[in-house]
Amino acid sequence: DTAVSQTPKYLVTQMGNDKSIKCEQNLGHDTMYWYKQDSKKFLKIMFSYNNKELIINETVPNRFSPKSPDKAHLNLHINSLELGDSAVYFCASSHPSGTYNEQFFGPGTRLTVL
Amino acid sequence: AQSVTQLDSQVPVFEEAPVELRCNYSSSVSVYLFWYVQYPNQGLQLLLKYLSGSTLVKGINGFEAEFNKSQTSFHLRKPSVHISDTAEYFCAVSLMNTGFQKLVFGTGTRLLVSP
Repeated sequence: DTAVSQTPKYLVTQMGNDKSIKCEQNLGHDTMYWYKQDSKKFLKIMFSYNNKELIINETVPNRFSPKSPDKAHLNLHINSLELGDSAVYFCASSHPSGTYNEQFFGPGTRLTVL
Repeated sequence: AQSVTQLDSQVPVFEEAPVELRCNYSSSVSVYLFWYVQYPNQGLQLLLKYLSGSTLVKGINGFEAEFNKSQTSFHLRKPSVHISDTAEYFCAVSLMNTGFQKLVFGTGTRLLVSP
């Protein structure tokens, strides 16, 4: 059973389009994250949700809008795609607490904007 | 704000040789420290973590890391590498006692193991 899954695995689209990436976790976690990995492999957090509430929102363009319909899902919608949005997007989940709990990562979605 | 520096972008090594991947961090407050591994076309997997206690931390696949507070380092080591260890390795920090974890990653080190 896949712990954190993402769909699609690959996404190729034209500039200006709107697209969504879906993430689901079956670990019973209540915190989920989106990370962006650029072409140089640099990983940066974009958003984090806890119990469907936004708790971390880094400096991300408004064209990116996360949506959490329930604790097991965190989707990422991107409007008006730009060339610079091309990257691998990773979803992750964890339990929050005062001490650290491991973040489990999905396999990634490779987005290519033409 | 905290930051992580991985000094080597790529480390080539022969099979069965020892390896050390370097990581330095900066933070004005106490942090948790981690090493993650990313195999080709896969997500990240936790190798090991330092939360508190012994400064020598053992992880999966024979890796270990040592936390050095005075040097602000958390170098990753393995005494004898295998071809299958070829991957990208990321060092990361997270602030302690914030309730919610925000990982800040280094730029990664590609370990290339050849026969």
